[in-house]
Amino acid sequence: DVKVTQSSRYLVKRTGEKVFLECVQDMDHENMFWYRQDPGLGLRLIYFSYDVKMKEKGDIPEGYSVSREKKERFSLILESASTNQTSMYLCASSFGGAYNEKLFFGSGTQLSVL
Amino acid sequence: QKEVEQDPGPLSVPEGAIVSLNCTYSNSAFQYFMWYRQYSRKGPELLMYTYSSGNKEDGRFTAQVDKSSKYISLFIRDSQPSDSATYLCAMRRAGNNRKLIWGLGTSLAVNP
Repeated sequence: DVKVTQSSRYLVKRTGEKVFLECVQDMDHENMFWYRQDPGLGLRLIYFSYDVKMKEKGDIPEGYSVSREKKERFSLILESASTNQTSMYLCASSFGGAYNEKLFFGSGTQLSVL
Repeated sequence: QKEVEQDPGPLSVPEGAIVSLNCTYSNSAFQYFMWYRQYSRKGPELLMYTYSSGNKEDGRFTAQVDKSSKYISLFIRDSQPSDSATYLCAMRRAGNNRKLIWGLGTSLAVNP
């Protein structure tokens, strides 16, 4: 069974803290994505990666960075957490090529920044 | 105007009803259309995937694309309480632009 695992289900952090969200997939997928999901705003793409050590900005990259040192792992970093980054964060992966839009999602991390 | 519009609901139906969920879009270049289902406190999962126009059926689910009207639908026959979830539509253009455009999702409750 395919699996995308996010390291934490719930996370509470203080304003200004550096926050790491980890995501691991076991499907040998080329593509990995970080989204945030907010009521009334839906899913918004933060960053994505089509290969190891490659990254591209999504729609809302400000305040975030990413790291992909290994194919199976994609990390999202909040350099200095702010209250407007309180959200549900979803990691996803997909095969490369024509079917890259068939995304497999993790269960999400609900991040609260106080 | 958003590229993809989806009524957020909530939609509440009795068990066994036929459910119709819809999205409209403005960009005629969209060629790939998807429906994802998201249960509470879970990530979305791909339910249906269609290319261009036409219908696709999978069990109790039918996805329909009407490109002339820029309208996509998901029909659920014999709805079950286990179908209670949020349904998100997503779409993208053909070619190298791989970006998915998402609807906001419709919340569905199927009551026993």
